[in-house]
Amino acid sequence: GNSVTQMEGPVTLSEEAFLTINCTYTATGYPSLFWYVQYPGEGLQLLLKATKADDKGSNKGFEATYRKETTSFHLEKGSVQVSDSAVYFCALRSSNSGYALNFGKGTSLLVTP
Amino acid sequence: EAEVAQSPRYKITEKSQAVAFWCDPISGHATLYWYRQILGQGPELLVQFQDESVVDDSQLPKDRFSAERLKGVDSTLKIQPAELGDSAMYLCASSHRDRGGEQYFGPGTRLTVT
Repeated sequence: GNSVTQMEGPVTLSEEAFLTINCTYTATGYPSLFWYVQYPGEGLQLLLKATKADDKGSNKGFEATYRKETTSFHLEKGSVQVSDSAVYFCALRSSNSGYALNFGKGTSLLVTP
Repeated sequence: EAEVAQSPRYKITEKSQAVAFWCDPISGHATLYWYRQILGQGPELLVQFQDESVVDDSQLPKDRFSAERLKGVDSTLKIQPAELGDSAMYLCASSHRDRGGEQYFGPGTRLTVT
């Protein structure tokens, strides 16, 4: 079946540091890949997505590239801010799962001033 | 901006009691999902509706959980009787009729079973 593995947190960074959160997946067919963010006390928000191999999703300075050869979708940001502190979830969706999302366990990020 | 509404936001109940959660999806969204998120884990699908029909409830513990979407609009998820292990965040999401469309999540209902 489909599954997502992402690096465990918490990740603690200083403001303006470079961020990488690793995500790998297992799926049949050609899934779409997503990063969602969950700020404290709020629901999940879509951060970025990629629907086919070699696509790069980007939003708010975050980027992730769909790498089919390594089955990866790592999240990166060049300079994090305190306001980026949140939990980040990698997810995939494929037609063989009825388009429901399969999520990783989440990675907590804390950015300190 | 349209949002998915959920209520209540927080619920504390004793084990063996019944509890119900309500979700109102974004207007016009035909597909509705209920996910359960245990603390420290990612959300997992419980049930998926297309209009008023259940598309996937394979992960729904049907001995105690039930879900309905009678008019194809809002939805109710019920647990009876609640167990300690049901303590979690219950998230509702909706997407447009195109089942490959983006899912929009509500704020969730945090359930604590004592």
